[in-house]
Amino acid sequence: DAMVIQNPRYQVTQFGKPVTLSCSQTLNHNVMYWYQQKSSQAPKLLFHYYDKDFNNEADTPDNFQSRRPNTSFCFLDIRSPGLGDAAMYLCATSRDVASDTQYFGPGTRLTVL
Amino acid sequence: SQQGEEDPQALSIQEGENATMNCSYKTSINNLQWYRQNSGRGLVHLILIRSNEREKHSGRLRVTLDTSKKSSSLLITASRAADTASYFCATDASFQKLVFGTGTRLLVSP
Repeated sequence: DAMVIQNPRYQVTQFGKPVTLSCSQTLNHNVMYWYQQKSSQAPKLLFHYYDKDFNNEADTPDNFQSRRPNTSFCFLDIRSPGLGDAAMYLCATSRDVASDTQYFGPGTRLTVL
Repeated sequence: SQQGEEDPQALSIQEGENATMNCSYKTSINNLQWYRQNSGRGLVHLILIRSNEREKHSGRLRVTLDTSKKSSSLLITASRAADTASYFCATDASFQKLVFGTGTRLLVSP
């Protein structure tokens, strides 16, 4: 049973063309995270929601936005993708605080042409 | 940066051998977690060890934690080809987020 679902699995966009990645969860967890992972690197946290409270990392570019319309869904919007934004984007959830286990989706591989 | 450093960056072994990877971090923690990532996939949680624990086992996995040295190790015994993956340690940098280490890429050959 899929617990954290990401769509699409692969996304190709053009330089500067807005793109939205989606994540849904069936775990009813309070916290949802978006990570960016480039090849052979550690996942880098972009932002997270604790319930409806949005927490942006200080070094996350303004080009990246997020929405969480309800408990189950969270979206990552990239307003004007650049070539440097090509990466794997991982969504994760945790029941409560970061000390809890995080459950990851399979990721969306973004290609920017 | 709180980011952990993992050592070695890459490890290549034969099936049946043990694999050991190490993680060092910089600040005090509440717990440390290990995750596995198969190529092109999301991360899967393996084990969590709390700051007041020194060793923990889960199946073929053994994790140790030395808070005085700010280091942890993950031992996989009797490795299988299916263990081929990247392994990341993660520490709770603050109340609501984890910071991942640089990862160890493990290759287990049949």
